[in-house]
Amino acid sequence: EVLLTQSPGTLSLSPGERATLSCRASQTINSNYLAWYQQKPGQAPRLLIYSASRRATGIPDRFSGSGSGTDFTLTISRLEPEDFAVYYCQQHSGGVSTFGPGTTVDIK
Amino acid sequence: QVHLQQSGPGLVEPSQTLSLTCAISGDSVSSNSAAWNWIRQSPSRGLEWLGRTYYRSKWYNDYAGSMRSRVTFNPDTSKNQFSLQLSSVTPEDTAVYYCARDLSARLDYWAQGTLVTVSS
Repeated sequence: EVLLTQSPGTLSLSPGERATLSCRASQTINSNYLAWYQQKPGQAPRLLIYSASRRATGIPDRFSGSGSGTDFTLTISRLEPEDFAVYYCQQHSGGVSTFGPGTTVDIK
Repeated sequence: QVHLQQSGPGLVEPSQTLSLTCAISGDSVSSNSAAWNWIRQSPSRGLEWLGRTYYRSKWYNDYAGSMRSRVTFNPDTSKNQFSLQLSSVTPEDTAVYYCARDLSARLDYWAQGTLVTVSS
């Protein structure tokens, strides 16, 4: 099973600032099967990025993803008030999916 | 537009079987491109993928290794839905349970979630 670690655990920023979130896999994964989700309190996760760098339908272009191998990054270029939430990475390989523990982006 | 609607009890007694159903609209449980997943979330375990069922000329299931012995997935083509059964539950199985669709392993549509508490 591929383990995902995310850093930092919490990111305290102000609206308008840039957020850089990291996701590291315990072994090389196919970037086609690396996704990012946003979750707000009381809601289900929402797909933001798939195949490491492709934005899901309706996702603003301030969200971008990059990376390959074991290291992946989600970048929010300029934080909007609605972007303060928890972000998870997810991978699928060998018929099994796993999620990272999440990064909380909160208001400084 | 795909919509997933979960149903099932919010309280299950220890050692019993947890059963949830996910009704699909806007897609088919027997789609040859989608797969139908169960995920749960708790403060102690975070987001935990339980497994999925999908149809590719025949039915297949994938399982999280830790859950394989206790989990059953049942697609129902007549009602266009799929279900989760988790046997021998303990309080550690208390969580919000979600069903979700995946296309090439990206989970693009999620249901609203069901809080299931395991308690006597």
